[in-house]
Amino acid sequence: AQSVTQPDIHITVSEGASLELRCNYSYGATPYLFWYVQSPGQGLQLLLKYFSGDTLVQGIKGFEAEFKRSQSSFNLRKPSVHWSDAAEYFCAVGAEAAGNKLTFGGGTRVLVKP
Amino acid sequence: GAGVSQSPSNKVTEKGKDVELRCDPISGHTALYWYRQSLGQGLEFLIYFQGNSAPDKSGLPSDRFSAERTGGSVSTLTIQRTQQEDSAVYLCASSQVAGYRYEQYFGPGTRLTVT
Repeated sequence: AQSVTQPDIHITVSEGASLELRCNYSYGATPYLFWYVQSPGQGLQLLLKYFSGDTLVQGIKGFEAEFKRSQSSFNLRKPSVHWSDAAEYFCAVGAEAAGNKLTFGGGTRVLVKP
Repeated sequence: GAGVSQSPSNKVTEKGKDVELRCDPISGHTALYWYRQSLGQGLEFLIYFQGNSAPDKSGLPSDRFSAERTGGSVSTLTIQRTQQEDSAVYLCASSQVAGYRYEQYFGPGTRLTVT
């Protein structure tokens, strides 16, 4: 069965600093990878997704993620964090073997210091 | 355009009572998903509907949970004889078509508290 691990439960970053959120997946074939963001009291919003091709994908709000097959990772990055980036971030994986449902990681809560 | 809406936004119920949670998907979206978000369990898939096909119920935690989708649009998730461990945020999502390749649009969720 596929699984997703986000090793960091909380991350605190200063406004303007760079941010990297880790995501590791376990799946036998190439998975389909997603990053979602959840702001307080809001539903999840898709930031970016990877299906194939270029391993560096660009998303909304200035985020990017890099797929590294050798490390089974799909880390999310942002060069300069804004206070509005404070939220919870979820990595998710979809795969043909799992049908049409997504498997989510446990989430990383990002706090932004002024 | 309107996004996915869910009602109520908050629900407090006593242990043993039944509850119904409602989801209105984006118009024209044929796929509808329910997820549960709870402390310690993260985000868990519950069930999804695709058009007139039989729903995938593989994520429902017990037979106290059921869901229906009427007319291919609105969906209701019903929890019978609620237990304290049912306390969670229940999220609904819809997509144009079922499949991980299609973006799922999430509603704001219903926070269920069982006392």
